[in-house]
Amino acid sequence: DTAVSQTPKYLVTQMGNDKSIKCEQNLGHDTMYWYKQDSKKFLKIMFSYNNKELIINETVPNRFSPKSPDKAHLNLHINSLELGDSAVYFCASSRETSGAFFGQGTRLTVV
Amino acid sequence: GDSVTQMEGPVTLSEEAFLTINCTYTATGYPSLFWYVQYPGEGLQLLLKATKADDKGSNKGFEATYRKETTSFHLEKGSVQVSDSAVYFCALSDRASTDKLIFGTGTRLQVFP
Repeated sequence: DTAVSQTPKYLVTQMGNDKSIKCEQNLGHDTMYWYKQDSKKFLKIMFSYNNKELIINETVPNRFSPKSPDKAHLNLHINSLELGDSAVYFCASSRETSGAFFGQGTRLTVV
Repeated sequence: GDSVTQMEGPVTLSEEAFLTINCTYTATGYPSLFWYVQYPGEGLQLLLKATKADDKGSNKGFEATYRKETTSFHLEKGSVQVSDSAVYFCALSDRASTDKLIFGTGTRLQVFP
């Protein structure tokens, strides 16, 4: 059983399009995250949700909108995609200070 | 703000060599410290962690000790294998605020037979 699963794994789309990435965790964790990894492998947090409530929004453009329908799911919707949005997006979940468990990542390529 | 500094890579070693990847941190509170590993084309896997000073985290032959006096959490392994080739990330989580992870820039390890 996959602990944190996100879909799709690869996403190629044109500038200006709107796309969504879905994430689900079956670990029973209360907190879920979206991280972005750029082309130099640098990882930075974008959002954090705790029990469906937004906790962290790290100055991400408002074209990015997370949605948490329940505490096991955290989806990421991106409007009006730009070339600079190309990156690998990781979903993760955690409970207290156990350390986060990450999904396999979604490689987004905007052309 | 809080930050993590890792040694630049790549680190290139022969099989069975000793590995050290340096990591130092800056934090205002009492963070938990982590090492994550990313194999090519995959997500991040938690390798080991330590939640307080002098704790030693260990897993799969890797070790790291939380040193508050030197604000360090260096990763070590006595004998690396080709299969250890990956990118290693040091990270901290400040329990006083949120559990978000602040990552270092990552260090690529290449092990040759």
